[in-house]
Amino acid sequence: AQSVAQPEDQVNVAEGNPLTVKCTYSVSGNPYLFWYVQYPNRGLQFLLKYITGDNLVKGSYGFEAEFNKSQTSFHLKKPSALVSDSALYFCAVRPSGNTPLVFGKGTRLSVIA
Amino acid sequence: DSGVTQTPKHLITATGQRVTLRCSPRSGDLSVYWYQQSLDQGLQFLIQYYNGEERAKGNILERFSAQQFPDLHSELNLSSLELGDSALYFCASSVDFSGSSYNEQFFGPGTRLTVL
Repeated sequence: AQSVAQPEDQVNVAEGNPLTVKCTYSVSGNPYLFWYVQYPNRGLQFLLKYITGDNLVKGSYGFEAEFNKSQTSFHLKKPSALVSDSALYFCAVRPSGNTPLVFGKGTRLSVIA
Repeated sequence: DSGVTQTPKHLITATGQRVTLRCSPRSGDLSVYWYQQSLDQGLQFLIQYYNGEERAKGNILERFSAQQFPDLHSELNLSSLELGDSALYFCASSVDFSGSSYNEQFFGPGTRLTVL
């Protein structure tokens, strides 16, 4: 069965520093991978996705993610963190074919001024 | 604003009661998904409808049911409510043409259900 792991419940980073939110997945076949962000009392917002092609995917708000097939990882990155990036981040995987999204448990990112 | 609307925003009810949550997808989106978000279970997929038909089922209890109407809006019905059903319920929509599962989902703001 497919699964997603976000090994860190909480990530703290200083404003202006680079940030990384980790995600690893387990799925048979070629997965579709997604990152979503949830701000307090809001629904999830789509950030970016990997379908195929270039392993480095660029998304909204300056975020990017790197797909690594050998390590089955899809880490979210941003070169310079903003206080406004503080939120809950979810990684999700959808195996090819018509299967539901499977979400990780989420990582709370706190950017400190 | 994702374009997905959900009503009501908040719902407070008692155990044993029945409630209906409503979702209107983005214009043009044929698929509607329902999720439950709770502190202990995280974000759980409940059910998906595509163009009026049930397409996939997740961890949805038998006390819960859903449907998608001809105008593509969807309703999630929760009955015989228990304290443990208190959670945020999200609806999401996507284009999801047949066979294309790579489309991102757009989430509504959610309905916060509190069962007392």
